Amino acid sequence: KAGVTQTPRYLIKTRGQQVTLSCSPISGHRSVSWYQQTPGQGLQFLFEYFSETQRNKGNFPGRFSGRQFSNSRSEMNVSTLELGDSALYLCASSRTGGRLNTEAFFGQGTRLTVV
Amino acid sequence: TQLLEQSPQFLSIQEGENLTVYCNSSSVFSSLQWYRQEPGEGPVLLVTVVTGGEVKKLKRLTFQFGDARKDSSLHITAAQPGDTGLYLCAGAGDSNYQLIWGAGTKLIIKP
Repeated sequence: KAGVTQTPRYLIKTRGQQVTLSCSPISGHRSVSWYQQTPGQGLQFLFEYFSETQRNKGNFPGRFSGRQFSNSRSEMNVSTLELGDSALYLCASSRTGGRLNTEAFFGQGTRLTVV
Repeated sequence: TQLLEQSPQFLSIQEGENLTVYCNSSSVFSSLQWYRQEPGEGPVLLVTVVTGGEVKKLKRLTFQFGDARKDSSLHITAAQPGDTGLYLCAGAGDSNYQLIWGAGTKLIIKP
């Protein structure tokens, strides 16, 4: 079965612009989480969507937003890009029927560079 | 706030040596997962441990969940260059569905 697909893989944007990243989860998975990863920082949780509703949110500014569609596909948007937003953005899907279904399956990520 | 601390942060050893990576918390987790991430890729799930005291083996990798479900360890026997990567632990809390992530251990195995 197909894995998690993130598009695009690489992106270069100018400071002040906005960007939209896309994530298609594994078929049957209803939860999609987004993470930011920078060197030496580990995975920083952005937000999680389940059945089109944001269920959890990390400590990121309002410039970071997301949404989930009825087919579970999700998009993440960053407005007014800053140099510090340069990172690998990872999407993870999970079945999330309960505590034992939180195993995350990751996409390859989108490498965003802000110049 | 639930936190997971991983140690060491960085480890570089020769091929054939053994090593252990730790994942510790003061909080109880209902389950704990270990992932390996290679450069430029997303993390890949290695194992999930659920029961206190549980031990799982994946070839040369041995994973253990502490009796109190607050800590876990990953032991690699006879490390090989293919084991190189970032090892991340993640815990599922009792209060919500969000995974709590450790900062990772960067492992380099030199041939």
